[in-house]
Amino acid sequence: GQSLEQPSEVTAVEGAIVQINCTYQTSGFYGLSWYQQHDGGAPTFLSYNALDGLEETGRFSSFLSRSDSYGYLLLQELQMKDSASYFCAVKKNSGYALNFGKGTSLLVTP
Amino acid sequence: DAGVIQSPRHEVTEMGQEVTLRCKPISGHDYLFWYRQTMMRGLELLIYFNNNVPIDDSGMPEDRFSAKMPNASFSTLKIQPSEPRDSAVYFCASSFTVDHGYTFGSGTRLTVV
Repeated sequence: GQSLEQPSEVTAVEGAIVQINCTYQTSGFYGLSWYQQHDGGAPTFLSYNALDGLEETGRFSSFLSRSDSYGYLLLQELQMKDSASYFCAVKKNSGYALNFGKGTSLLVTP
Repeated sequence: DAGVIQSPRHEVTEMGQEVTLRCKPISGHDYLFWYRQTMMRGLELLIYFNNNVPIDDSGMPEDRFSAKMPNASFSTLKIQPSEPRDSAVYFCASSFTVDHGYTFGSGTRLTVV
């Protein structure tokens, strides 16, 4: 079967850097995605890594190591508005749909 | 584009009643997904469509749930009869490709009492 593991909660200080890890087990790997969801809101797409390495988009970066079945989301210069849940996701074993992890709740404190 | 549009935003119904959730995907997106989110189970895929055809409905809990996509701009998720354990936020999402990501609607918060 498939599994995704990520920490349930992370706390960090405004202005700091935080890393949210994700390890996965799946057959037929097609890439790792990250989504952000604020309380009461909808998930929004952040990034997609199909190949090893670091992808940077503004303050957010995402990393993938396919050999280690591991990835992370890096958030720099944290702002209060970054307090949200962050989900990693991989495609289901077959087909096109994404299977989401349970999410990491990030709390940014002053 | 207005994004993925879901209705209603909130639905409170009594156990045993029929519930219909609606979704309008982004024009041009070939994939449409229905997810359910609860604290206990997280985001679960219920069903998805490609070009209006159901591809994977293995996540549909039981026969009480059904989904249709009669055309490229409209989909429904129906629960009949509804039960309290169906209470959750139901999201519809659409996508062009996986590396462009899904666009989620605002969700329907369903409460069955």
